[in-house]
Amino acid sequence: NAGVMQNPRHLVRRRGQEARLRCSPMKGHSHVYWYRQLPEEGLKFMVYLQKENIIDESGMPKERFSAEFPKEGPSILRIQQVVRGDSAAYFCASSRGGPGTDTQYFGPGTRLTVL
Amino acid sequence: DAKTTQPNSMESNEEEPVHLPCNHSTISGTDYIHWYRQLPSQGPEYVIHGLTSNVNNRMASLAIAEDRKSSTLILHRATLRDAAVYYCILKKGVGTDSWGKLQFGAGTQVVVTP
Repeated sequence: NAGVMQNPRHLVRRRGQEARLRCSPMKGHSHVYWYRQLPEEGLKFMVYLQKENIIDESGMPKERFSAEFPKEGPSILRIQQVVRGDSAAYFCASSRGGPGTDTQYFGPGTRLTVL
Repeated sequence: DAKTTQPNSMESNEEEPVHLPCNHSTISGTDYIHWYRQLPSQGPEYVIHGLTSNVNNRMASLAIAEDRKSSTLILHRATLRDAAVYYCILKKGVGTDSWGKLQFGAGTQVVVTP
C-alpha cells in the first residue's frame, strides 16, 4: 500500500512565478491536510480538505495561497506570485477522517526555494 | 485550544530507555494525546496515541497520568534511528470542524549517542 505521495520533491521558482504542489493521499483516505515548515521553525497547519470541500483553512495566508482536492486526482496547493518568504518545506498528510483517534500519514514533503 | 509543554531536548545512550515528558494541564475531557516524530529531512511520522489508559505499540509506550494533565512517551531501547524531534499534540475528540488539524509545538529534540 503506497504511502502519501508528493511531487515534486524539490521546486525552484523565481519571485513572481506560480508554484503548484501536488499530493496523492493513501488509498482509502479521503481527508487531506497541508502543513508548512519554514526554515528553523515548527510545522504549521495550513488547510484541511475533503473531496471537493475545504473544511478548515484557518492556517492559510489570506492572499496568493489556495488549495483544492477535486473529485478525481491529487490535492493541489497553489501559491501565486511567490516571494522569498514562501521558501519552506510543504508537507501533505492524509487520513480516513474523524475526531480523536484519527491518525494522519505524512508525505515526504516538497521543498520550495524561491530565488 | 489546549497547549502542551515539552523539554527542548533530551539525550540518551543507544539501547537505553528514553522517557519524554509532556505537560498538558489545560487538556479537556475529550482531547486525545497524540505523539508524532520527525526524523531529519522527513515528514512527521505517527508514533502513538491515547485517551486515559496507558498504551503500547511496536514503536513505543504511552503513560498517561491519572488526572491526564501530563503524559510520558517511552522509547524502550533507543537506537540511532530514533534521533528525531518528538511532538506531543492534543487532538480534539469531538466532531467540530477544528478537530482535523494537528497543532505542532516546538517538540523535544532527542539525541542518541552510540
